[in-house]
Amino acid sequence: KAGVTQTPRYLIKTRGQQVTLSCSPISGHRSVSWYQQTPGQGLQFLFEYFSETQRNKGNFPGRFSGRQFSNSRSEMNVSTLELGDSALYLCASSLMGGSYEQYFGPGTRLTVT
Amino acid sequence: DQQVKQNSPSLSVQEGRISILNCDYTNSMFDYFLWYKKYPAEGPTFLISISSIKDKNEDGRFTVFLNKSAKHLSLHIVPSQPGDSAVYFCAASLTNSGYALNFGKGTSLLVTP
Repeated sequence: KAGVTQTPRYLIKTRGQQVTLSCSPISGHRSVSWYQQTPGQGLQFLFEYFSETQRNKGNFPGRFSGRQFSNSRSEMNVSTLELGDSALYLCASSLMGGSYEQYFGPGTRLTVT
Repeated sequence: DQQVKQNSPSLSVQEGRISILNCDYTNSMFDYFLWYKKYPAEGPTFLISISSIKDKNEDGRFTVFLNKSAKHLSLHIVPSQPGDSAVYFCAASLTNSGYALNFGKGTSLLVTP
């Protein structure tokens, strides 16, 4: 099976712009979660989607949003970018049925200048 | 507030010896714990997990121990191999939070020949 894929892998944006990141989960996986990784804060949970519905949301401002499509692919959007949004954004997918093992993609490295 | 803590940022072990990575958590409601390994430029890879109803889980060279009264878990790698050199993340979740994982900041393991 192909793993979790994320596009683009690298992105440079200017403060104030917006950005959209994409994630394709492992085939058959219906849950997609997003995480932000920074040197200072480590890996922090952003939100989780299942069947096109956001089930859970971390402690991030409303500038961070996401959605999931009927094929389970997911996008996350960050509006009005700030310098502090520079981070590695990781997407993870998982099966349902009591399994908590999440499988991560390689991430998108976002740099805000 | 960091609910999962890995107090050792780095660890160096000789090949063939045991590596012990530690993790502490503050939320006694956490009921599922996982360890992930991360190489540079890749997403975290799931290693092993343990439910709060157990105190030990073993998978090949990897064993996770859970001490609920101390809110402490550890990952033992025996024997350690140079390919095990990576950053190891401890994560915890609440059953009713779905797939939201709370991560520690990681421990960088170096296994020397």
